[in-house]
Amino acid sequence: DTAVSQTPKYLVTQMGNDKSIKCEQNLGHDTMYWYKQDSKKFLKIMFSYNNKELIINETVPNRFSPKSPDKAHLNLHINSLELGDSAVYFCASTPLTGSSEAFFGQGTRLTVV
Amino acid sequence: QKEVEQDPGPLSVPEGAIVSLNCTYSNSAFQYFMWYRQYSRKGPELLMYTYSSGNKEDGRFTAQVDKSSKYISLFIRDSQPSDSATYLCAMSSSNDYKLSFGAGTTVTVRA
Repeated sequence: DTAVSQTPKYLVTQMGNDKSIKCEQNLGHDTMYWYKQDSKKFLKIMFSYNNKELIINETVPNRFSPKSPDKAHLNLHINSLELGDSAVYFCASTPLTGSSEAFFGQGTRLTVV
Repeated sequence: QKEVEQDPGPLSVPEGAIVSLNCTYSNSAFQYFMWYRQYSRKGPELLMYTYSSGNKEDGRFTAQVDKSSKYISLFIRDSQPSDSATYLCAMSSSNDYKLSFGAGTTVTVRA
């Protein structure tokens, strides 16, 4: 039974399109995150929600909009996709704050062509 | 300068060798230190979790934290080919909702 699941696993799309990635966790955690991993494997936080409330919004273009309908779900919508958006996007969750160990999803590999 | 520095490697060792990985950091507020293992095309999974300074051992894995030097280490004893992965250090402060990651070190254990 997958703890943090993301869909889709792979996404290939053209520049200018709008796409969404979905994430669900069944761990009962209060805090969820979106991280971006670039081609050099560097993981950088994008957003964090605690119990449906946005608590972290790093310097991310406003083409990226997270949405948390409930504390078990955190989706990421991306408008007007650009080539530089190609990366692996990971959803994660923690029981409390970042001081707790994070559980990651399998990642969504986004390729913009 | 990045908040967390980690040599990306790659690191290649023969089976049975000790793998030594480390990270340095600049934020003295960091109190929680983690090591994640990431296999190719998979999500990171937590390997070791340490609070403040000290050592922690779990099987073949030992994590060390030296807050005075702002330096953390992970040792893998008797390395196996199945240990081949990217190892990422991560850390956070007590009132922080985010983890700050190192760049990850890619390790290959040769059979």
